Amino acid sequence: GQSLEQPSEVTAVEGAIVQINCTYQTSGFYGLSWYQQHDGGAPTFLSYNALDGLEETGRFSSFLSRSDSYGYLLLQELQMKDSASYFCAVRAAGNMLTFGGGTRLMVKP
Amino acid sequence: DTGVSQDPRHKITKRGQNVTFRCDPISEHNRLYWYRQTLGQGPEFLTYFQNEAQLEKSRLLSDRFSAERPKGSFSTLEIQRTEQGDSAMYLCASQGSDTEAFFGQGTRLTVV
Repeated sequence: GQSLEQPSEVTAVEGAIVQINCTYQTSGFYGLSWYQQHDGGAPTFLSYNALDGLEETGRFSSFLSRSDSYGYLLLQELQMKDSASYFCAVRAAGNMLTFGGGTRLMVKP
Repeated sequence: DTGVSQDPRHKITKRGQNVTFRCDPISEHNRLYWYRQTLGQGPEFLTYFQNEAQLEKSRLLSDRFSAERPKGSFSTLEIQRTEQGDSAMYLCASQGSDTEAFFGQGTRLTVV
């Protein structure tokens, strides 16, 4: 089976940098994905790491260490619109995703 | 709009009734997934199709749940004899051979 742990809530101020950590235990691992979900909205894809290292996409970066079963999402230059829930998800065979419980990010002025 | 669309967006039903949801994936995507999400939790995998073949079903999918994708295009998810515990957001996602998963807006089911 799969299990993922991420903090339930993070608060930061506009313009700051925030890191959301994710640790996982899995019986099959292809990669780690990150999704953003605003209240009432659909999960939207942010980033995917299949190999160790850092992937950068604009203000967002994601890191993976397969040996440590650990990854993180880094959000820079925070904006109010970044207030949302962020989910890490393990991608397994068939590209099925097992999601963590989500981290609710609140960005304050 | 060429994204994943789901219908209806909201459904309120009485306990014991049957409900059916529809998902129209992105047209060139051969993989289609159903997930269930309850408030404050991450989506939980239910089942997935590659073209018209249902390749995997979660243990969460009791025998009251059935999903179909008859022509490898749209999919339906039916819940028979609904229970209050079925109240959740039902999300559909589609994926191509070399893309990430794109989610629809979901169908919010409330069983009263």
